[in-house]
Amino acid sequence: AQKITQTQPGMFVQEKEAVTLDCTYDTSDPSYGLFWYKQPSSGEMIFLIYQGSYDQQNATEGRYSLNFQKARKSANLVISASQLGDSAMYFCAMREGPRGSTLGRLYFGRGTQLTVWP
Amino acid sequence: DADVTQTPRNRITKTGKRIMLECSQTKGHDRMYWYRQDPGLGLRLIYYSFDVKDINKGEISDGYSVSRQAQAKFSLSLESAIPNQTALYFCATSDFRRSLTGGADTQYFGPGTRLTVL
Repeated sequence: AQKITQTQPGMFVQEKEAVTLDCTYDTSDPSYGLFWYKQPSSGEMIFLIYQGSYDQQNATEGRYSLNFQKARKSANLVISASQLGDSAMYFCAMREGPRGSTLGRLYFGRGTQLTVWP
Repeated sequence: DADVTQTPRNRITKTGKRIMLECSQTKGHDRMYWYRQDPGLGLRLIYYSFDVKDINKGEISDGYSVSRQAQAKFSLSLESAIPNQTALYFCATSDFRRSLTGGADTQYFGPGTRLTVL
């Protein structure tokens, strides 16, 4: 079974509008971390935001926020006030186990291509 | 200067050739990773290293080998390249010590190496 599922291959949003990118995850470990990365057309992977499974509040970083619904195992990324430069591929990823876990690896979803139009 | 650098950035090689991809980091992180990205598949882990003396296989290690020459350097080798190893390769680093103090063990990625095997 997929550890991370991103069901939206592509999303379109008008500039200055908000957009939500969906991510669901699958783990039986009570301790885990969720990450979102942005990959622009130039190819680099840019870290956006992190949410720990025990964090009481949803993570926020500037225009990015993570809508964490633990019972539903979802970790949706919300981008407010979209900008043209937000057009990119967005990946959700999960680390199983506590921070610094010897398991170490990240499981990635297949990504959502976001296009922001003027 | 970039914190995580990869060389070469692009490489075209022929089937059967040996090729090495190199990764260097100035972040002072102890953990380093190699991933490959194929279109539509997200990123998959090839190898990871928690320190100079610790090397671990990821989910797709067949056909690859690695060397951790120093804390700051982690190389990936394809002993005999084949066309289905054509992909975008990423090196990443993370800081285990920061995770011990409650920080996220975020993985930070290099710019990627685009490898084509003919």
